[in-house]
Amino acid sequence: QQQVKQSPQSLIVQKGGISIINCAYENTAFDYFPWYQQFPGKGPALLIAIRPDVSEKKEGRFTISFNKSAKQFSLHIMDSQPGDSATYFCAASRRGGADGLTFGKGTHLIIQP
Amino acid sequence: DTGVSQDPRHKITKRGQNVTFRCDPISEHNRLYWYRQTLGQGPEFLTYFQNEAQLEKSRLLSDRFSAERPKGSFSTLEIQRTEQGDSAMYLCASSPIQGNTEAFFGQGTRLTVV
Repeated sequence: QQQVKQSPQSLIVQKGGISIINCAYENTAFDYFPWYQQFPGKGPALLIAIRPDVSEKKEGRFTISFNKSAKQFSLHIMDSQPGDSATYFCAASRRGGADGLTFGKGTHLIIQP
Repeated sequence: DTGVSQDPRHKITKRGQNVTFRCDPISEHNRLYWYRQTLGQGPEFLTYFQNEAQLEKSRLLSDRFSAERPKGSFSTLEIQRTEQGDSAMYLCASSPIQGNTEAFFGQGTRLTVV
């Protein structure tokens, strides 16, 4: 039973374009939604996170959009750069975090020069 | 470097052997998590410590898996009688006890069972 569904599985974007990755969740008890970036052979690195009391959060070129009623959230990478090429994971957790993060299956993003 | 530290980075072992991995969390973080990540998948939660107390361990994959955090600082994850299916990246993460559940991951230990 996959509680966080992520799409697309892979994505190719031209340099300077906008990369968009989508996630949907099922558990209404989730109240924290981070995005992680992972390079090959490395651990996931926290990129940006949002709580359901706001609909959007922006940090530099990265924006999370959150739709509580639809139980969906997305990551937008503006002005995508070749250095952004990595695997991106959305995740969700319940208040308190005692049962950890539930991750999506990841999106392999390639930014073409 | 004051991030989460894991040791070793890579481990190759023969099937049936026991292995132990170590995690040193960020020093002021009370919470510590272990995850497993297989190729092409997101990390999968295994267990959680708050200080030295293991508050969630029902998601450990089998009774061959165990974890400790004896003094509330570093933690170890042990796999007994390893199987080829245990080959994966084992990740440790830590977070502060206050506020949100922002978790910071280490570089992981890559286990290969041959």
